Amino acid sequence: GQNIDQPTEMTATEGAIVQINCTYQTSGFNGLFWYQQHAGEAPTFLSYNVLDGLEEKGRFSSFLSRSKGYSYLLLKELQMKDSASYLCAVRDSNYQLIWGAGTKLIIKP
Amino acid sequence: ETGVTQTPRHLVMGMTNKKSLKCEQHLGHNAMYWYKQSAKKPLELMFVYSLEERVENNSVPSRFSPECPNSSHLFLHLHTLQPEDSALYLCASSQRQGEAYEQYFGPGTRLTVT
Repeated sequence: GQNIDQPTEMTATEGAIVQINCTYQTSGFNGLFWYQQHAGEAPTFLSYNVLDGLEEKGRFSSFLSRSKGYSYLLLKELQMKDSASYLCAVRDSNYQLIWGAGTKLIIKP
Repeated sequence: ETGVTQTPRHLVMGMTNKKSLKCEQHLGHNAMYWYKQSAKKPLELMFVYSLEERVENNSVPSRFSPECPNSSHLFLHLHTLQPEDSALYLCASSQRQGEAYEQYFGPGTRLTVT
């Protein structure tokens, strides 16, 4: 079967750095997405990786290793507003999006 | 209005009621999606419409009935639901279906079935 694994919950301190990991086993690979979802709100697109390596976007970076079936989202200079759930999703060979259950990130002052 | 809007935001219904969820996208996209989001579970894709034609129906019970009258509007008609159908129902759109375009989500309808 197809599977996306990410930690259920993580805690970090304001101003610090946190890395949220995502591992996947899917039938084929056509890209990996990260979304942010604040409680009670819509998921919003953060990043897209289709080739190996690091994509940087301001305080957020996303890394992909296709050979290892692994990605991470790196958040720097954490702010209280970064408290949210972070969803990892992989597009398989049929271009279906397979979603992880999300990682709830709690930021403490 | 911009982006993807959904109404109502909250809905409580009994098991014998009939109700409809509405989604509208103002992005000029050609694909629209219904998802179910339950606590601590992955998003479950329910239906996909591309250019107003249903292209996917992921084994969803018939008590959920989608309708896409045009590329900007999507409905989910609900009938004789079960308590386990209580969840957040999210609508999304993308430029095209089946390609590497990100999806834009609405804020969701929080549905409670009593």
